[in-house]
Amino acid sequence: AQTVTQSQPEMSVQEAETVTLSCTYDTSESDYYLFWYKQPPSRQMILVIRQEAYKQQNATENRFSVNFQKAAKSFSLKISDSQLGDAAMYFCAYRSQNYGGSQGNLIFGKGTKLSVKP
Amino acid sequence: GAGVSQSPRYKVTKRGQDVALRCDPISGHVSLYWYRQALGQGPEFLTYFNYEAQQDKSGLPNDRFSAERPEGSISTLTIQRTEQRDSAMYRCASSLFGAGANVLTFGAGSRLTVL
Repeated sequence: AQTVTQSQPEMSVQEAETVTLSCTYDTSESDYYLFWYKQPPSRQMILVIRQEAYKQQNATENRFSVNFQKAAKSFSLKISDSQLGDAAMYFCAYRSQNYGGSQGNLIFGKGTKLSVKP
Repeated sequence: GAGVSQSPRYKVTKRGQDVALRCDPISGHVSLYWYRQALGQGPEFLTYFNYEAQQDKSGLPNDRFSAERPEGSISTLTIQRTEQRDSAMYRCASSLFGAGANVLTFGAGSRLTVL
């Protein structure tokens, strides 16, 4: 079974600085997808970024980028030019490439709480 | 609809009562998922559907929990004889068919408190 581990329960960053959130996962599959979701105090779940395992190029969405190391099974999120609105819980998630069965759902880590200091 | 709609947003019930939580997915989304999220934890998978067929219910904690999606659109998660440990945020998500790159869009959740 796949697992997702976020080893940093809490992180803090100064406004305008850069912060990296760590995520590792365990799987025997070669094709899969990885996601970062943001959960602000409103407790909505908002997709931040997505990475296909078969792509070597790291995904980027504006100030958010990932460092995907497939061999190391590592998927970290870098937030550049941090803003006060970035303060939230961040969840790393894994999803199998396969269709059907139990492999259709997302497997989440326990999350990292990010604080942004003005 | 434009987003995933869940109701009620908040539910307070007494231990032993039954509760029904409703999810209306995005129009055209074939797959529907139920998750439970305890405070300070990540969402935990409960069950999911493709169309009206329940594909996987391995995450349902016990037989007090059940879910249905009879017409392949709206889904109901039912908890019978609620217990205090059932208190959590229950989240519904939907996506285009199946796994892979299709993004799950989450609803705002239903917060259940069992007294």
